[in-house]
Amino acid sequence: GAVVSQHPSWVICKSGTSVKIECRSLDFQATTMFWYRQFPKQSLMLMATSNEGSKATYEQGVEKDKFLINHASLTLSTLTVTSAHPEDSSFYICSARDRDKRIEAFFGQGTRLTVV
Amino acid sequence: AQSVTQLDSQVPVFEEAPVELRCNYSSSVSVYLFWYVQYPNQGLQLLLKYLSGSTLVKGINGFEAEFNKSQTSFHLRKPSVHISDTAEYFCAVSLYSSASKIIFGSGTRLSIRP
Repeated sequence: GAVVSQHPSWVICKSGTSVKIECRSLDFQATTMFWYRQFPKQSLMLMATSNEGSKATYEQGVEKDKFLINHASLTLSTLTVTSAHPEDSSFYICSARDRDKRIEAFFGQGTRLTVV
Repeated sequence: AQSVTQLDSQVPVFEEAPVELRCNYSSSVSVYLFWYVQYPNQGLQLLLKYLSGSTLVKGINGFEAEFNKSQTSFHLRKPSVHISDTAEYFCAVSLYSSASKIIFGSGTRLSIRP
């Protein structure tokens, strides 16, 4: 149990276009979802925390207009990178905590975004 | 605010040797502690967690960790490593709430030599 599916696993897009990444909890209801960004050989940097039905809370320095997060249901959160630029290329990972309040978060397999 | 320090960025060990990956945390309140493993180009998998109770926590793949409140440490250990343990290991901390964010350390790359 406790599977988080992230899609797509990799994507290549042109500069100026937008890309949507989906994060789904397959067998539990995710009260809270987190979005991270990871640069090569570095740790995970928390971008934002989203709670179902409410606006996401962004970490300092993360542009909310560039990284749009929607948590419309208890099983789905999306991250949209708008007007992507090459510097947005990175590994994006989502994680989710469930409604039954298991404390650990479960992670998706990540999305490798390359902007050309 | 909470923070996590992983003192070693890389740890090379020989196969079947024991290993310890160090983690220290800082927090003014009680926290939950976790160790996650990340294989190349993949998400994170939970190895083990400390919530309360016994300070020695056993996890998957033969790993264990010991919570030491006085030293604010949560070191990860395995008595005999395998080639398949080659990965990045992250220590993490969270407050006592399912809505609290999880803060990660910088990671330790464990490389196993045959």
